[in-house]
Amino acid sequence: GAGVSQSPSNKVTEKGKDVELRCDPISGHTALYWYRQSLGQGLEFLIYFQGNSAPDKSGLPSDRFSAERTGGSVSTLTIQRTQQEDSAVYLCASSTEGANEKLFFGSGTQLSVL
Amino acid sequence: AQSVTQLGSHVSVSEGALVLLRCNYSSSVPPYLFWYVQYPNQGLQLLLKYTSAATLVKGINGFEAEFKKSETSFHLTKPSAHMSDAAEYFCAVSPNTGFQKLVFGTGTRLLVSP
Repeated sequence: GAGVSQSPSNKVTEKGKDVELRCDPISGHTALYWYRQSLGQGLEFLIYFQGNSAPDKSGLPSDRFSAERTGGSVSTLTIQRTQQEDSAVYLCASSTEGANEKLFFGSGTQLSVL
Repeated sequence: AQSVTQLGSHVSVSEGALVLLRCNYSSSVPPYLFWYVQYPNQGLQLLLKYTSAATLVKGINGFEAEFKKSETSFHLTKPSAHMSDAAEYFCAVSPNTGFQKLVFGTGTRLLVSP
């Protein structure tokens, strides 16, 4: 596709359930990021994949959060045993190699934990 | 480690007035600096970026920002606000070495009144 695609666009789940959020980056982009956007919190970095390097997981808030990137393309962010404080918009972005390259963002997944 | 501080979660201006959104950064190495904009119900998009060339950077929609190393600042300005500028603006920083994650500020919401 032409842009970064995220699915689902909205997810409502019950506390304690696991959820999976998907990101399809722009074809050929080697860098992929996950951010979380909460009201008044700005964009919180979660995890960063760059090519075949080990991912930077320094932003994951707890061990309930994990992410994978298969074949250098599609990425899945998994949240286990969801809590109400996990409610937020989860944004995925991709870019070409290079620290000065702009990020292309998806529209996000709105996660609501009841 | 890199970080950015955006002063003021909300800034209100009248249409035609000067827009000034403040961003100060902290970086242990020379930084790349970015401003992203998020219009209502849209994804984030790059407004402009500083990558160690000219210190005054011009972006889309008449915005510009000046990198001031002595003040560790990268404030965003526009001479005359337009109603369509109402959005949330995020400053971001990454180190200019290797492939590093982009760290965002908490954002400033710009309100433009007629």
